[in-house]
Amino acid sequence: DGGITQSPKYLFRKEGQNVTLSCEQNLNHDAMYWYRQDPGQGLRLIYYSQIVNDFQKGDIAEGYSVSREKKESFPLTVTSAQKNPTAFYLCASTWGQGINPNSPLHFGNGTRLTVT
Amino acid sequence: QQQVKQSPQSLIVQKGGISIINCAYENTAFDYFPWYQQFPGKGPALLIAIRPDVSEKKEGRFTISFNKSAKQFSLHIMDSQPGDSATYFCASKGSNYQLIWGAGTKLIIKP
Repeated sequence: DGGITQSPKYLFRKEGQNVTLSCEQNLNHDAMYWYRQDPGQGLRLIYYSQIVNDFQKGDIAEGYSVSREKKESFPLTVTSAQKNPTAFYLCASTWGQGINPNSPLHFGNGTRLTVT
Repeated sequence: QQQVKQSPQSLIVQKGGISIINCAYENTAFDYFPWYQQFPGKGPALLIAIRPDVSEKKEGRFTISFNKSAKQFSLHIMDSQPGDSATYFCASKGSNYQLIWGAGTKLIIKP
């Protein structure tokens, strides 16, 4: 089955450590996205990538970094500079040129990161 | 920053009843309005979506009503079932790669 795989499902880190969240898709989608979800808030865009070797900042990119070396992979690094990193992180993808009725966002099942 | 205002924050409906969730947007240039359904511990999944050139779209028990002049759209779930218990998010397309999301509505259907 095609889909997006996020791993691990739960991640625990000590404050001050960088941590990398994995996102892999086998949908052959061109664009990939990282969102952050906090209780009582809508999803907030961290970074997105339209094509390999290119990515753009979203609304809350500070303290995060990404890479897109392969079409199917878009890892997110939460750095120690991120002031409040504990959250549910969602990876998504779309086919073609962005979000539209023929290419809706398709999400993975998320990684819950807890930093203490 | 552009916003999408979603209400209510939480909603309890009896089995068989109608669940209604409302959203209001600000920018008349938005041209795509999806609703996503999210179960605990899972990612959101597209439920139904509408473009502003139609006033209503129905898929099974789920209907979107769209009021362009009022800049509002709503999700109606007919004959609500316990399996519909989830968090629902409305969104508006802000740009090619950006959706602007409502804060979510936690829906509980009581048996």
